[in-house]
Amino acid sequence: RKEVEQDPGPFNVPEGATVAFNCTYSNSASQSFFWYRQDCRKEPKLLMSVYSSGNEDGRFTAQLNRASQYISLLIRDSKLSDSATYLCVVNTGRRALTFGSGTRLQVQP
Amino acid sequence: EPEVTQTPSHQVTQMGQEVILRCVPISNHLYFYWYRQILGQKVEFLVSFYNNEISEKSEIFDDQFSVERPDGSNFTLKIRSTKLEDSAMYFCASSEARAPYNEQFFGPGTRLTVL
Repeated sequence: RKEVEQDPGPFNVPEGATVAFNCTYSNSASQSFFWYRQDCRKEPKLLMSVYSSGNEDGRFTAQLNRASQYISLLIRDSKLSDSATYLCVVNTGRRALTFGSGTRLQVQP
Repeated sequence: EPEVTQTPSHQVTQMGQEVILRCVPISNHLYFYWYRQILGQKVEFLVSFYNNEISEKSEIFDDQFSVERPDGSNFTLKIRSTKLEDSAMYFCASSEARAPYNEQFFGPGTRLTVL
């Protein structure tokens, strides 16, 4: 089983749509969780950390379900600029981040 | 906003040559990392560095790789004898927080091409 598993997509959505991405992780000892976005041939940029209570930042909402080892990201009112690959990232408590392969989002006008 | 910087942006080298990739982490960060991403694949951890020593490394980080903080600002990754399969984007990252909320910030990367 992959350490961090994501649906690769692509998700093609119209502007203004709501889209949700899911991610599962295999290591139950994982301690912190993140969503990064990556534009083509660019560096991963931290979008948000995912806290146990869930958290929201503007149009973005992240949820964590430790029992199911599942993380989600919801994007509301999608913008063209949201088109990117969204990376689910897990830290097992050591320093290394373990990345999923990413879910590609394409927002269309 | 402070950011991680990396040089060069693109390095082309011949197989068997040594390369040094350079990074300047965010100034108040204490933890430094190298990751790589082979084209079309996921980002992979190589090594973390704290207090002038390696704190963790992956299986990828073999004897061909080394890291150094030669002065108060730079952090380098050296590959002693490059192989074709070392061709990848190499990202440097840094963080200030201890685990578990170890938010890491990435530089723009160095694209290494080994011919």
